[in-house]
Amino acid sequence: SSELTQDPAVSVALGQTVRITCQGDSLRYYYPSWYQQKPGQAPTLVIYGKSNRPSGIPDRFSGSNSGKTASLTITGAQAEDEADYYCNSRDGSSGHLVFGGGTKLTVL
Amino acid sequence: EVRLLQSGAEVKKPGTAVKISCRASGYTFTDYYIHWVQQAPGKGLEWVGLVDAEHGEIKFAERFQGRVTLTADTSIDTAYMELSGLRSDDTAIYYCARLSGLGSFEAFDIWGQGTVVTVSS
Repeated sequence: SSELTQDPAVSVALGQTVRITCQGDSLRYYYPSWYQQKPGQAPTLVIYGKSNRPSGIPDRFSGSNSGKTASLTITGAQAEDEADYYCNSRDGSSGHLVFGGGTKLTVL
Repeated sequence: EVRLLQSGAEVKKPGTAVKISCRASGYTFTDYYIHWVQQAPGKGLEWVGLVDAEHGEIKFAERFQGRVTLTADTSIDTAYMELSGLRSDDTAIYYCARLSGLGSFEAFDIWGQGTVVTVSS
């Protein structure tokens, strides 16, 4: 399957923990990467591989995988984390890259 | 500083073509694939295709096959995406992004600022 499925919207209270999920058959074989996109900006990489953070990404961001589901967890969400989040991985058959539909995170 | 700098916004009529550029700086252009991503207004990210400037490999998402041409000019470290037969649903922001091998993983670690393409009669 070439699809990666994300919940369209998730909300979290300030300072609480939120998990954003991404489901797809290809996640059995490929680790996803996760991107944050704020309005009017290009996406930025926040997590890749098992749970690796690029330089400058706060350690409250982490990733995990289990079977067909990958998760991005924000522990102690901050107001500045309000954004759209996208997962990305390989399609299992074509090998092409695919994005999930995105999750809009609201920090209350 | 590692950067991808894209060309400016375009307004095109239906049926015509648009060519967007993506100039790399701060790294060896041929060491990385350049990918292109479409984002329609209010919508998510959609992978368009990739160009490997060093080896000439090009791949497309199926829905863009036949209308997209991806090229690269290694003499000026620039990748190009040309989209032909424009229609209203091609109105979108188009991003170029560098795919990096990060350890044994891969990810888009550098993105261009995006190019807005508006298709309107």
